[in-house]
Amino acid sequence: DQQVKQNSPSLSVQEGRISILNCDYTNSMFDYFLWYKKYPAEGPTFLISISSIKDKNEDGRFTVFLNKSAKHLSLHIVPSQPGDSAVYFCAARPLFSGSARQLTFGSGTQLTVLP
Amino acid sequence: GAGVSQSPRYKVAKRGQDVALRCDPISGHVSLFWYQQALGQGPEFLTYFQNEAQLDKSGLPSDRFFAERPEGSVSTLKIQRTQQEDSAVYLCASSFQGQGTTDTQYFGPGTRLTVL
Repeated sequence: DQQVKQNSPSLSVQEGRISILNCDYTNSMFDYFLWYKKYPAEGPTFLISISSIKDKNEDGRFTVFLNKSAKHLSLHIVPSQPGDSAVYFCAARPLFSGSARQLTFGSGTQLTVLP
Repeated sequence: GAGVSQSPRYKVAKRGQDVALRCDPISGHVSLFWYQQALGQGPEFLTYFQNEAQLDKSGLPSDRFFAERPEGSVSTLKIQRTQQEDSAVYLCASSFQGQGTTDTQYFGPGTRLTVL
């Protein structure tokens, strides 16, 4: 039973346009969410996070939106750049409602930004 | 070094061999995690240390998997009698603080294990 789901295995966008990556979760205990970016042969790199007390967090070109009622979050990248081409993982864990520290990851979305 | 390092980067083992994978976390980081990433999937949790204490090993898939962090810094993940289904990338991550925080987990480059 996948508790964190990324239903789009791949996404292609034109340089300069917006990239929107989606993530759904089923575990109500999750209240802290993260996005990681991964290049081939490297480990995942932290990008941005959000806790359940907020519905939006912005860092430069990256914005994460959280819809708790729908158990859905999304990552927006504006404008998209060719260097953003990578696999993006959504991850989640309890923060306020449990002590588990490990992250539960989705299966990833391969983003390709076309020049 | 500034980041999490892992060795070896690649390991090929014959079925039935024992392997040991090493993780050097960022200096001073209290928490250390091991994850397993199968091809085309996201990382899956194996085990968690806070300093030298193994606080959670619920993700270890069988008793053939064993992890230790005896001095609270370097950690070793050992897999005994490797099987083909153990083929995966093994990722190590560390974070500065202990429980109940939003501190970031920093990942190493992983060890790709192939069992023939």
